[in-house]
Amino acid sequence: GQQLNQSPQSMFIQEGEDVSMNCTSSSIFNTWLWYKQDPGEGPVLLIALYKAGELTSNGRLTAQFGTTRKDSFLNISASIPSDVGIYFCAATQQGAQKLVFGQGTRLTINP
Amino acid sequence: DTEVTQTPKHLVMGMTNKKSLKCEQHMGHRAMYWYKQKAKKPPELMFVYSYEKLSINESVPSRFSPECPNSSLLNLHLHALQPEDSALYLCASSQVRARDTQYFGPGTRLTVL
Repeated sequence: GQQLNQSPQSMFIQEGEDVSMNCTSSSIFNTWLWYKQDPGEGPVLLIALYKAGELTSNGRLTAQFGTTRKDSFLNISASIPSDVGIYFCAATQQGAQKLVFGQGTRLTINP
Repeated sequence: DTEVTQTPKHLVMGMTNKKSLKCEQHMGHRAMYWYKQKAKKPPELMFVYSYEKLSINESVPSRFSPECPNSSLLNLHLHALQPEDSALYLCASSQVRARDTQYFGPGTRLTVL
């Protein structure tokens, strides 16, 4: 079935560092989404991407929809302690309501 | 307003109990979803309702019974659950169009004893 390969699985960084994570697939997707999840809470939408090549920012977060429609990346600049959590990429295909999720990137920040 | 609410926040139940999880949204979304999430894993889709009708059932055991009484409410009725059903249960909503973004609720942490 469809699968999103998300990397890295975990990151341990210092406060103030920039972060980069990505998702790739062998399938084409129409929409790419990035969510952040804190322990015991639901995923919160960070950025939604709807067009190949689209680059979108949300504060210190920047995400891009790959031109091949098979990948996406998320960058976080100047990380702060509240950035700690699990980041999931998710994507949908043409005509589908089902979200396909990546396995998540767990971000830990050392102060 | 992009809020989806879920009650209760936590639920502990025995294997013979019957309980229900509730979800509500007031964003005018006509698609609503139930997901199950185990620790350190992504959410797994269980059910999708479109225009108050069940459109996707991901082969979920019959001990989970969804209900969509109206366009704002979604319930998940639980009966005779097993300990392995313990998980975070998430509700989400979206417009019905395929590109539309799903917004998640805070989840119900379910423990089955």
